[in-house]
Amino acid sequence: DAGITQSPRHKVTETGTPVTLRCHQTENHRYMYWYRQDPGHGLRLIHYSYGVKDTDKGEVSDGYSVSRSKTEDFLLTLESATSSQTSVYFCAISAARESQPQHFGDGTRLSIL
Amino acid sequence: GESVGLHLPTLSVQEGDNSIINCAYSNSASDYFIWYKQESGKGPQFIIDIRSNMDKRQGQRVTVLLNKTVKHLSLQIAATQPGDSAVYFCAEPLRGYNKLIFGAGTRLAVHP
Repeated sequence: DAGITQSPRHKVTETGTPVTLRCHQTENHRYMYWYRQDPGHGLRLIHYSYGVKDTDKGEVSDGYSVSRSKTEDFLLTLESATSSQTSVYFCAISAARESQPQHFGDGTRLSIL
Repeated sequence: GESVGLHLPTLSVQEGDNSIINCAYSNSASDYFIWYKQESGKGPQFIIDIRSNMDKRQGQRVTVLLNKTVKHLSLQIAATQPGDSAVYFCAEPLRGYNKLIFGAGTRLAVHP
């Protein structure tokens, strides 16, 4: 299994609070991704990174920000959580953009009340 | 736009039988495809991939077939086991973007 650790694995918080999710990899892969998975929508890309301090938006980036200060860590922040951001969040990594598979962590289940 | 989809939402099989999970894609320029397995409470797990210069690729108990003429993928699982019960996705990188296009998924239920 790819060395990907997501933390926390579960979190319950209140609307309006800031939340940060962490993804840590031990594979030294260049590309890292944040997805959310919701029933009826499948996996949707939030943000991705193509190197240290190099990030870009995915298809559902509103309300989320990311940071990557080290190759191994990719942080996802909800500045002011809303109930619509209740979801399961997955981090993924890949060695190349289009010709190598992405490998996923086991997710963070986030509930916003 | 480009999309990757699945024909069957649920597939039930008997333990020991072979399973076939199908996937259609719409972008004829796609040249790389991936199959993932997702068990309850876990992230998608890479199973096997195939490039468009191949028609078939085999792994351990799994085979992926690619028919570019009809833009169709299938995942064959031999001697299906209870541990194979999961949701299976096909996925395709969207060329020029850092994005995987996932199908909706097929749930495989293996019965003893």
